Amino acid sequence: EPEVTQTPSHQVTQMGQEVILRCVPISNHLYFYWYRQILGQKVEFLVSFYNNEISEKSEIFDDQFSVERPDGSNFTLKIRSTKLEDSAMYFCASRQGAVTTEAFFGQGTRLTVV
Amino acid sequence: AQSVAQPEDQVNVAEGNPLTVKCTYSVSGNPYLFWYVQYPNRGLQFLLKYITGDNLVKGSYGFEAEFNKSQTSFHLKKPSALVSDSALYFCAVRAVNDYKLSFGAGTTVTVRA
Repeated sequence: EPEVTQTPSHQVTQMGQEVILRCVPISNHLYFYWYRQILGQKVEFLVSFYNNEISEKSEIFDDQFSVERPDGSNFTLKIRSTKLEDSAMYFCASRQGAVTTEAFFGQGTRLTVV
Repeated sequence: AQSVAQPEDQVNVAEGNPLTVKCTYSVSGNPYLFWYVQYPNRGLQFLLKYITGDNLVKGSYGFEAEFNKSQTSFHLKKPSALVSDSALYFCAVRAVNDYKLSFGAGTTVTVRA
């Protein structure tokens, strides 16, 4: 069964450093997402991406964040200068084009900023 | 704005007993409703969805959910719970013209043998 894959599964970084979280969405999907889940809190929407551009972003997704689909298969989330409060589980998701379809999630990347 | 409430942080049931996980939502217009399950150290796994039509929808692993428009609820149910159903369950809503999901806080289900 096709699945969304994320790498790495766990990343530890120092405050102020840049990190790139990587995702390979399901191949025929058209919509791509990043969500995050701070420990003990609910899953929060960060950004959606369609047709090679951001279609919607949340208040959390400030100038420190960016997304890219560099080669037609990978979908990346970059955090330019990490803060302690960026520590969270980051989930990538993808969805087919039809409006009624569900999103499929990857297993997540646990980001720890120290 | 759209939102989801899961009023119970934890649900504990004995194996073989019925399981219900509650969810209410708020959204402008018609909702698309989803249930996801998260096992330890795993991603969110899709269980079932309501888009339109029959208010009772069936999903994976014997789960079903009932959409109630007047009560704005979408409770998840399983007639006979298994120990392996122990996990964290999330309800989510998406407005028809929206791209994103809004999640509830999650409900931890523990099924004891």
